[in-house]
Amino acid sequence: KQEVTQIPAALSVPEGENLVLNCSFTDSAIYNLQWFRQDPGKGLTSLLLIQSSQREQTSGRLNASLDKSSGRSTLYIAASQPGDSATYLCAVRHTGTASKLTFGTGTRLQVTL
Amino acid sequence: GAVVSQHPSRVICKSGTSVKIECRSLDFQATTMFWYRQFPKKSLMLMATSNEGSKATYEQGVEKDKFLINHASLTLSTLTVTSAHPEDSSFYICSASGGLANQPQHFGDGTRLSIL
Repeated sequence: KQEVTQIPAALSVPEGENLVLNCSFTDSAIYNLQWFRQDPGKGLTSLLLIQSSQREQTSGRLNASLDKSSGRSTLYIAASQPGDSATYLCAVRHTGTASKLTFGTGTRLQVTL
Repeated sequence: GAVVSQHPSRVICKSGTSVKIECRSLDFQATTMFWYRQFPKKSLMLMATSNEGSKATYEQGVEKDKFLINHASLTLSTLTVTSAHPEDSSFYICSASGGLANQPQHFGDGTRLSIL
């Protein structure tokens, strides 16, 4: 059974800092890995999607990497801003007919002024 | 980008009421839709996977008679919580996918269900 873990569970940084969020998964048989952002009481916003054959994806100040063999992904946020405060979730999409997503436990990020 | 609309965003109702939640893909055909439940400060738990025109596949421990799912068209799936009780209060989120495994899932804004 796939298990996805995110470290740290919570993080508070001052504005302007660069930061790294970690995601690890136990079963490397995945199609892709997706990073999401969730604001309190809201749905999920997709940030980046990395296919299993890719090593990284970039969008603006965000960079996500994937090391499938070791079961790890990182989300790098450059020059953090208060507006980046949210919960960040990673999710892996399984191989197989169901193609279900398994979500990580999430990292609650607070960027302070 | 792809948009998924979920309605209503919030429901407050009495115990014993049945509540229907709609999930629509606005600009693409969603071969597969997923329904999740999220408890406070917890991650998303997959409840069921629905494919257009066929019966939903429920995850272990999810009561199919309690949570009725219909996916009658490529743009609409509904989740009906039947005879809701306070323990059914939660945040329910749907997602939609075009069906190919290498495509991202797109999520609705969620429905906050509160049963009194």
